[in-house]
Amino acid sequence: NFMLTQPHSVSESPGKTVTISCTRSSGSIASNYVQWYQQRPGSAPTTVIYEDSQRPSGVPDRFSGSIDTSSNSASLTISGLETEDEAHYHCHSYDGPNQVFGGGTKLTVL
Amino acid sequence: QITLKESGPTLVKPRQTLTLTCTFSGFSLSTSGESVGWIRQPPGKALEWLALIHWDDGKRYSPSLKSRLTITKDTSKNQVVLTMTNMDPVDTATYYCVHRLTVAYNFDPWGQGTLVTVSS
Repeated sequence: NFMLTQPHSVSESPGKTVTISCTRSSGSIASNYVQWYQQRPGSAPTTVIYEDSQRPSGVPDRFSGSIDTSSNSASLTISGLETEDEAHYHCHSYDGPNQVFGGGTKLTVL
Repeated sequence: QITLKESGPTLVKPRQTLTLTCTFSGFSLSTSGESVGWIRQPPGKALEWLALIHWDDGKRYSPSLKSRLTITKDTSKNQVVLTMTNMDPVDTATYYCVHRLTVAYNFDPWGQGTLVTVSS
């Protein structure tokens, strides 16, 4: 099975743009869709991006997702950072029936 | 509106069997395309997928935990039960019940989670 590697933490100022990466260890990142979940402290995760780049209704368009086959990674980009974006972000993909999560990235908005 | 809620013991002893129940509303697990799963998160650590059960009683398990897990459903009660045998302190985690459509790839929504501590 493959692994998804995320940076442990990132930080940026309000109003700026931040990108969180999720690198797949083996197999092509394009082979299986990537999802991104936001988890605020003490709460369950919620979907902010599904199928690489799709945004659920209710998620601001400041959130966007993409994949890069050259680096075999997916990215979550949040523009116009707000303090409420401070949370952990988890990437997720699969290989057949097996579901794989990244280690999670703590986003600090300071 | 779909909601899920986990219930079960908050404390189990090493080598015991954990039984967790997910009670849900807003959909039926007898409807084609519906699935319910379990995901856990040790304190301060990553999410880990455990198991998934489909409307047709198809079941999928994490390869690393397959020998210890059993997932079942009771469609009349709108419940899914997960059992995990031979519990160890490393299994201390928040256990989440999740909904997924077969045609979708994301888990949505999630239950609030229940913290299970393994300690003697």
